[in-house]
Formats: sequence, structure tokens, C-alpha cells
Amino acid sequence: NAGVTQTPKFRVLKTGQSMTLLCAQDMNHEYMYWYRQDPGMGLRLIHYSVGEGTTAKGEVPDGYNVSRLKKQNFLLGLESAAPSQTSVYFCASSYFGTVNTEAFFGQGTRLTVV
Amino acid sequence: AQRVTQPEKLLSVFKGAPVELKCNYSYSGSPELFWYVQYSRQRLQLLLRHISRESIKGFTADLNKGETSFHLKKPFAQEEDSAMYYCALSPRGGGDKIIFGKGTRLHILP
Repeated sequence: NAGVTQTPKFRVLKTGQSMTLLCAQDMNHEYMYWYRQDPGMGLRLIHYSVGEGTTAKGEVPDGYNVSRLKKQNFLLGLESAAPSQTSVYFCASSYFGTVNTEAFFGQGTRLTVV
Repeated sequence: AQRVTQPEKLLSVFKGAPVELKCNYSYSGSPELFWYVQYSRQRLQLLLRHISRESIKGFTADLNKGETSFHLKKPFAQEEDSAMYYCALSPRGGGDKIIFGKGTRLHILP
């Protein structure tokens, strides 16, 4: 049971480069989320999705775009990376229901922008 | 507004002493409440859910609907408890996203 898988696990980008982070879940969850976690800090929500074809802004959406073309995948894009986007990125998914609605997390992507 | 508040960013406790991590929430319905733990350089993992009312790794959490609190407790801290702890709220039946608190870093002193 894979759960939530993020690709890649590590990446170094130069300022101005673009990249896409992929999140895949095999639990048929409706909700998917992208968070960033800076050193010693808590989670901050970037964008989230409540279903295929829908996305919404979170707490810190600037500089990021997302897409949810398939229910199992949630992509996070950085069009022009900046050093301030150096962080660990976590993807999560959760079930739309009345019980067992906890979030399941991926292993994280460590991104460094130089 | 729906929110989860963890008032302490950092909590330092001596080994063997009791631990209490505070969590207060604001939500108009009847949510599911969770505690997550994140060990150094690892992903967040579910520690407890209020519905199961179980003890995991010696931790318990009781939902107090009157005070809208869901504090995490352990009677005797162990060094391996050092980690980041997040309280989270999920609106049952959908309708909105999961909400996480800002987290409390628990540091167990030897």
C-alpha cells in the first residue's frame, strides 16, 4: 500500500528555473493538499483541491500554481523559482466522509533554490 | 472562523515529567480532532484521533466540547518523545478542508 508518494525527494534549482512536484495517492481520496515547511517552523498551506478539476488557494499561494487533472494526482508548479521558496514541501490527501477523515502525508520534497 | 490554536511554539520538559500540549479549536459543527507527530526529518504521521479514545506511545487526548479543547497528555516524558506535534481539525462530512495548528515543538531534557 503506497499511500501518498511525492516525486522528486530532493531537488536543487537555480533562481528563475521552473519545476513541477508530483503528488500521487492510491487511496481514492477527494481532498489533496500542498504544504511548505520552513526550518523550525510549522506547516503552511499553499494550495488544496477538493476534487478532480478543482483547486483553491491556501495561506501562501504566491509563486505557485497547481493542477488536479486526475483524482489521484496533484501537481505543484514553480514557474520562476526564488531563494525564498527553499523549503520542504509536503503533499497530503484525505477522505471526504464522516469518520476517518485524517490526512495522510507524503515523505516530503526538499527543495533548495540557489 | 474555523481555526486550531496551539499556544506554545516550544515546550521543554524534563525526562520523567508530565507533558501537556495544548490545543484549542473553533468550529461551528462537530469535527474530528487529531494529533499528528513529526520526528526529525520525517513526514507527519497520525498519533491519535479523538473518536478512538486510545493511548498511543503513552499519549492520550480528551475532547472537551465545552472548552473546545483537545489537549495531548503523557504522564512521564521520554527522550524519544522529542518531536513536532500538530493538532488538526477535520469537518466531518466534507464541506471544507482539514485545518492544522501551527505546531508545538516538544523538547525533552535529559
